[in-house]
Amino acid sequence: EIVLTQSPGTLSLFPGERATLSCRASQSVGSNYLAWYQQKPGQAPRLLIYGASSRATGIPDRFSGSGSGTDFTLTISRLEPEDFAVYYCQQYGTSPMYTFGQGTKLGIK
Amino acid sequence: EVQLVESGGGLVKPGGSLRLSCEGSGFTFSNAWMNWVRQAPGKGLEWIGRIKSKPDGGTTDYAAPVKGRFTISRDDSKNTVWLQMNSLKTDDTAVYYCATGWFLDYWGQGTLVTVSS
Repeated sequence: EIVLTQSPGTLSLFPGERATLSCRASQSVGSNYLAWYQQKPGQAPRLLIYGASSRATGIPDRFSGSGSGTDFTLTISRLEPEDFAVYYCQQYGTSPMYTFGQGTKLGIK
Repeated sequence: EVQLVESGGGLVKPGGSLRLSCEGSGFTFSNAWMNWVRQAPGKGLEWIGRIKSKPDGGTTDYAAPVKGRFTISRDDSKNTVWLQMNSLKTDDTAVYYCATGWFLDYWGQGTLVTVSS
């Protein structure tokens, strides 16, 4: 099973700042089948990024994904108030079993 | 507009059973892979299983903690996927979400399952 480790666990930033979230896999993620999700309190998760770098429908271009192999990054170029949430990475390719990272909580400073 | 609506959650005793439903609309359900993901109170997301579309074989896969206890099935004529949960444990207490796709592009709002005596 691929284990995904996200860092930092908590990140506190001001609106307007740039956020960089990391996701590291215990082994290579096949074909970069890595997704990122945003979850706000009391809501279901929302897909942001798939295939490591492709934005999902309706996702603003301030969100971008990058990386390959075992190291992946979600960048939010300029934080808006609605971006403060928990972010999860997930791999969906190397085996039939999907796994999630433990999440990064992005809070307002 | 894609919609997924879960139902069937509730309170059940340890060792008991429960069946969750997820009805989809706004997309071609018969072509969709359907997943179940759960989230224990205050915890992260845990993928628990998936059923592929019939054109892709209709097979199921499960995460280790639920394999042998949970079963996913589907009826494309009803646009519905089910999660049958048997031998429930207190650790199964969570909000259960269904989500479409190979990667999880649309999600329902979830249904709460509480396993407690």
